Amino acid sequence: KNQVEQSPQSLIILEGKNCTLQCNYTVSPFSNLRWYKQDTGRGPVSLTIMTFSENTKSNGRYTATLDADTKQSSLHITASQLSDSASYICVVRGSGNTPLVFGKGTRLSVIA
Amino acid sequence: DAGVIQSPRHEVTEMGQEVTLRCKPISGHDYLFWYRQTMMRGLELLIYFNNNVPIDDSGMPEDRFSAKMPNASFSTLKIQPSEPRDSAVYFCASSLRQGAETQYFGPGTRLLVL
Repeated sequence: KNQVEQSPQSLIILEGKNCTLQCNYTVSPFSNLRWYKQDTGRGPVSLTIMTFSENTKSNGRYTATLDADTKQSSLHITASQLSDSASYICVVRGSGNTPLVFGKGTRLSVIA
Repeated sequence: DAGVIQSPRHEVTEMGQEVTLRCKPISGHDYLFWYRQTMMRGLELLIYFNNNVPIDDSGMPEDRFSAKMPNASFSTLKIQPSEPRDSAVYFCASSLRQGAETQYFGPGTRLLVL
């Protein structure tokens, strides 16, 4: 069964600290993996998209990694800011007729 | 560009009533997606269109749900009759292509069915 599992479910960190969010998937065959940031009351905004051949992709203080062999991805946030408080959603697209599979997200709270 | 526009932003209705959600995609985008988000189930893809044609509606939960895209700049998602379990945030998104292309989400419609 195609699934995307994210951990932790929620996370609280101090401003300025780093953190890493995890995404494990069983989607096969694999096409690409996306990380979205969703602020409260808003729609998701794309942070990164990675295909099979990409191991790392950065977007400012956000760095996503992908290990297609172990079917794992991580999103690393460096020097967190209060504005990083949001839900982070991992989405995996399979190739062919495999549907888009969403994780339930990690709720990150950055506190001063 | 104003981005993806959705209306209404909030909708409160009674069980059994018809609900129509509206979406205007980003101009020039060929793909339009309707999603539903709840705390329990997260984001779920309901249906998507390519060049105004429905491509995959396997995510539509029941026959009570229907979606149309009469032209490239407008789409509707209709629920008739609505039920309390339909309460959720409904997002519309659009993209240039389907594959690795970024999807741009609207602000969502928060629906509450009493």
